[in-house]
Amino acid sequence: QAVVTQEPSLTVSPGGTVTLTCGSSTGAVTSGHYPYWFQQKPGQAPRTLIYDTSNKHSWTPARFSGSLLGGKAALTLSGAQPEDEADYYCLLSYSGARGVFGGGTKLTVL
Amino acid sequence: QVQLVQSGAEVKKPGASVKVSCKASGYTFTSYDIDWVRQATGQGLEWMGWMNPNSGNTGFAQKFQGRVTMTRDTSISTAYMELSSLRSEDTAIYYCVRAGSGKDYWGQGILVTVSS
Repeated sequence: QAVVTQEPSLTVSPGGTVTLTCGSSTGAVTSGHYPYWFQQKPGQAPRTLIYDTSNKHSWTPARFSGSLLGGKAALTLSGAQPEDEADYYCLLSYSGARGVFGGGTKLTVL
Repeated sequence: QVQLVQSGAEVKKPGASVKVSCKASGYTFTSYDIDWVRQATGQGLEWMGWMNPNSGNTGFAQKFQGRVTMTRDTSISTAYMELSSLRSEDTAIYYCVRAGSGKDYWGQGILVTVSS
């Protein structure tokens, strides 16, 4: 099974910009992996922020954006807010419609 | 409004099976796949598999092949996930997710505890 990698932790200053990445052990991440990004705060169910690389839900704050960058999926947060402190997970799809989550990134806003 | 309401917490002994439910409302149940995702305490998310409520077709992560069953009852808009041969490592919160729509709605999660 493929392994999906994320930065274990990142720190961003309030108002700053940070990019979280999501790589695949099988090679470059493409739109065919239909990358997803989820946000999870302590004690809560995850919330889907981005789907199919860059599409946002109605509840996704405009400061979040998804893209492909350097062979990885990327989630960029521009203008970080204290409420953005959370765990972030990416999910990639592989053949047979199987999904694999990354290990998650703990984002600190400090 | 769209809701996925999951059944209550379960406590099981090692070697037993657990069957958890996910009742959908606010949309046409057969129009969207259902994913199942789990999360052990303090750990990351783990994708388990998917089910098409219309056809009953399923697909599972390799890790769970042979141990997981996903079914549905369309008459009551409910999806089920059954995991057998439980071991302590299966202790986790189990979530159902409405897929095929940007995985937009998640159930509240069910804590399954495996303990002797």
